[in-house]
Amino acid sequence: GQNIDQPTEMTATEGAIVQINCTYQTSGFNGLFWYQQHAGEAPTFLSYNVLDGLEEKGRFSSFLSRSKGYSYLLLKELQMKDSASYLCAVRDRGGYSTLTFGKGTMLLVSP
Amino acid sequence: KAGVTQTPRYLIKTRGQQVTLSCSPISGHRSVSWYQQTPGQGLQFLFEYFSETQRNKGNFPGRFSGRQFSNSRSEMNVSTLELGDSALYLCASSTDRGRSTEAFFGQGTRLTVV
Repeated sequence: GQNIDQPTEMTATEGAIVQINCTYQTSGFNGLFWYQQHAGEAPTFLSYNVLDGLEEKGRFSSFLSRSKGYSYLLLKELQMKDSASYLCAVRDRGGYSTLTFGKGTMLLVSP
Repeated sequence: KAGVTQTPRYLIKTRGQQVTLSCSPISGHRSVSWYQQTPGQGLQFLFEYFSETQRNKGNFPGRFSGRQFSNSRSEMNVSTLELGDSALYLCASSTDRGRSTEAFFGQGTRLTVV
């Protein structure tokens, strides 16, 4: 079976750094994705990890440890517009595009 | 380059009716996946189509079905609607080539069953 866990809600202050964790247990593994979804909008792609380590992309970084079934998304220099839901998703089979999603972490950034 | 287009954006149906939702993927994308999003369950995978063939299916009842046409456009159908089918239905397309093959999502169809 598939199980992806992430915190339901987090709060942080503008300008701060926040880390959103994701743990997964899946029958296979072929990549982990992070998506951002603002209320009423479509999810948008943030990052992709398939090998262990850190991937950095501007203010956003994502880390993966396959042996631990663990990933995190790091957001630096938080801005008000970063208030959104952050979705962790795993692709468990090569050659397919199917993603299994966690329930998402609602991040609220306050002034 | 146009994004993923889903129609209609909003839909209200009565229990027992059936509904068809449409998804036009990004030009050149051959893989189309459908997801149901609800506050309680999050995003749940319905099915995935590639080159007009369903190659993966989620854990949903047979009332949920779909198809893909030769131009990669896809439709999903829900028959005998139940109140619990009220949700945001999202379509995602990808090239299905390369390592990352990120999925691009449409704005979704908000279905309300009354």
